[in-house]
Amino acid sequence: GAVVSQHPSWVICKSGTSVKIECRSLDFQATTMFWYRQFPKQSLMLMATSNEGSKATYEQGVEKDKFLINHASLTLSTLTVTSAHPEDSSFYICSARATGFANEKLFFGSGTQLSVL
Amino acid sequence: AQKITQTQPGMFVQEKEAVTLDCTYDTSDQSYGLFWYKQPSSGEMIFLIYQGSYDEQNATEGRYSLNFQKARKSANLVISASQLGDSAMYFCAMREGVSSASKIIFGSGTRLSIRP
Repeated sequence: GAVVSQHPSWVICKSGTSVKIECRSLDFQATTMFWYRQFPKQSLMLMATSNEGSKATYEQGVEKDKFLINHASLTLSTLTVTSAHPEDSSFYICSARATGFANEKLFFGSGTQLSVL
Repeated sequence: AQKITQTQPGMFVQEKEAVTLDCTYDTSDQSYGLFWYKQPSSGEMIFLIYQGSYDEQNATEGRYSLNFQKARKSANLVISASQLGDSAMYFCAMREGVSSASKIIFGSGTRLSIRP
């Protein structure tokens, strides 16, 4: 089955630093990837849709200058949390759609737990 | 307005019993897809089952089946013969439209706990 690799799986950083999270589709091309954020015991909240070769589409209320998304190739999307603050601490998870699958399911990365001190 | 509603924050079920997790949705699109995902404590999202809006038969995947009632806009997940390993969070999700960029939004989830 299709695999999405997300790295790192966890990161601890100091307030004010930037953190980059990578999401790779390992055995399929993904023109579209999605970034979600999940607080403890809550649902996944869609942050943005990452489109290969073009600007990401952000959901309402998500700061695009805070959460920089780059989708430079058909297999890689990155999310950079800039000038991280403790309130940015959360579980971030990416997903990609494998076209050609009859059920069009999303494949998810394993997630990144970000802790900002 | 809520697009995906899961009204059961938590459920306890005895092992080997069947369990139904409720999900209702709201959309004006004619073409949409409904999904169920399982999230164990490790955080990974595990795809369980998919139902397309035009599928006439209810989807089934092993012990999972989706009770799709289009007129009622409900897509309940039925797990037969529950197992201890089924304990996890379960999310219902919906994709509106058929574009490759159509986003998928999630319900608030149901925490299922299986008792031995």
